[in-house]
Amino acid sequence: DVKVTQSSRYLVKRTGEKVFLECVQDMDHENMFWYRQDPGLGLRLIYFSYDVKMKEKGDIPEGYSVSREKKERFSLILESASTNQTSMYLCASSSGGGRNEQYFGPGTRLTVT
Amino acid sequence: QKEVEQDPGPLSVPEGAIVSLNCTYSNSAFQYFMWYRQYSRKGPELLMYTYSSGNKEDGRFTAQVDKSSKYISLFIRDSQPSDSATYLCAMRSNRGSTLGRLYFGRGTQLTVWP
Repeated sequence: DVKVTQSSRYLVKRTGEKVFLECVQDMDHENMFWYRQDPGLGLRLIYFSYDVKMKEKGDIPEGYSVSREKKERFSLILESASTNQTSMYLCASSSGGGRNEQYFGPGTRLTVT
Repeated sequence: QKEVEQDPGPLSVPEGAIVSLNCTYSNSAFQYFMWYRQYSRKGPELLMYTYSSGNKEDGRFTAQVDKSSKYISLFIRDSQPSDSATYLCAMRSNRGSTLGRLYFGRGTQLTVWP
């Protein structure tokens, strides 16, 4: 079974802190994605990556950056956390071939106070 | 206008009811259509996957795609309390560099009561 793990289920940070969210997948997938999910707004794509050291902006990249130094790991960085970044953050990966199904991690509930 | 529109509900039905969930979209390049199910405090999981137009059935679930109307549906027969979840439609194109990117609806929250 594909497994996507995220470093924390719940995280509380203060305004202005630098925050790192880590995602690891164990299926040698090419593609990795970071979303945030908010009530009434659904899933919104922040950044995605098709290869190591490669990244592309999604729909809401402002205030975020990403890092993909190894194929299995995709990190989301909040350079200076703000209260409007309080959200559920979901990581996903896909193989890039065949059905290209996205497999999701369990999510990180981030609260910025 | 969002590329994918989905009524967020909430939708509440009695056990045994037939449930119909729908999405519309605007991008005619979309070729692959999916339904994800998300239980509370979990990540979404793929429920149904269809390519182009037509129907696909899997147990109590039927996915329909009408590309001429840019409309997709998910039907749940004999709904059960365990079907209570948020259902998200998703779709993607097979063109260009954004090959793997999915476009999601906002999700419909479904509750099936005993």
